[in-house]
Amino acid sequence: QVQLQESGPGLVKPSQTLSLTCTVSGGSFSSGDYYWTWIRQHPGKGLEWIGHIFYSGSTYYNPSLKSRVTISVDMSKNQFSLKLSSVTAADTAVYYCARDVENGGSERYNWFDPWGQGTLVIVSS
Amino acid sequence: DIQMTQSPSSLSASVGDRVTITCRASQSISSYLNWYQQKPGKAPKLLIYAASSLQSGVPSRFSGSGSESDFTLTITSLQPEDFATYYCQQSFSTPRTFGQGTKVEIK
Repeated sequence: QVQLQESGPGLVKPSQTLSLTCTVSGGSFSSGDYYWTWIRQHPGKGLEWIGHIFYSGSTYYNPSLKSRVTISVDMSKNQFSLKLSSVTAADTAVYYCARDVENGGSERYNWFDPWGQGTLVIVSS
Repeated sequence: DIQMTQSPSSLSASVGDRVTITCRASQSISSYLNWYQQKPGKAPKLLIYAASSLQSGVPSRFSGSGSESDFTLTITSLQPEDFATYYCQQSFSTPRTFGQGTKVEIK
């Protein structure tokens, strides 16, 4: 059973770079059926998709964050990472990593499953 | 970006009630629609994918329907463990987008 676990600092100073890592265990990391994804949730608010990476390294970012986001993958460690630069208080959120699964049928549906437990990152001096 | 709008934003219901939550996309998304349940302090959990397919292990009282731009999540006979916030999410295009959520509370 695949499990995802986020790790990284819970407190980041304004203008600095937020760095988080997601470790994937219990399943194939290099399957072509998955996109490895970051999603965040501002306190008491809804869900915002940040971006994803394919095991080959190809990425897609939310245009609203694209100038500040980098997602990378380390196949040797079954990990993928998020870097968000020039953070402000508006970046305070719970950050989730998730697996974006694509089915193999003629209609290529995608869904997020499973998710990591989430990690709260506070941006404050 | 495709905008997803859920209604209502919150509702109060009793155990045993039938609950319906709707989700509308700003453009046609065929059946590229998923539903998630989130409990306080926990990550979202997949309930329904491809508009109407029940995720393995999810109770059959949950069902999804709809296509194009209008979708529905129905919970028949609400159980105590179903009190949570529910989100729809489109997978038709990137960026993936979510509805704002519907909080189901105890009446």
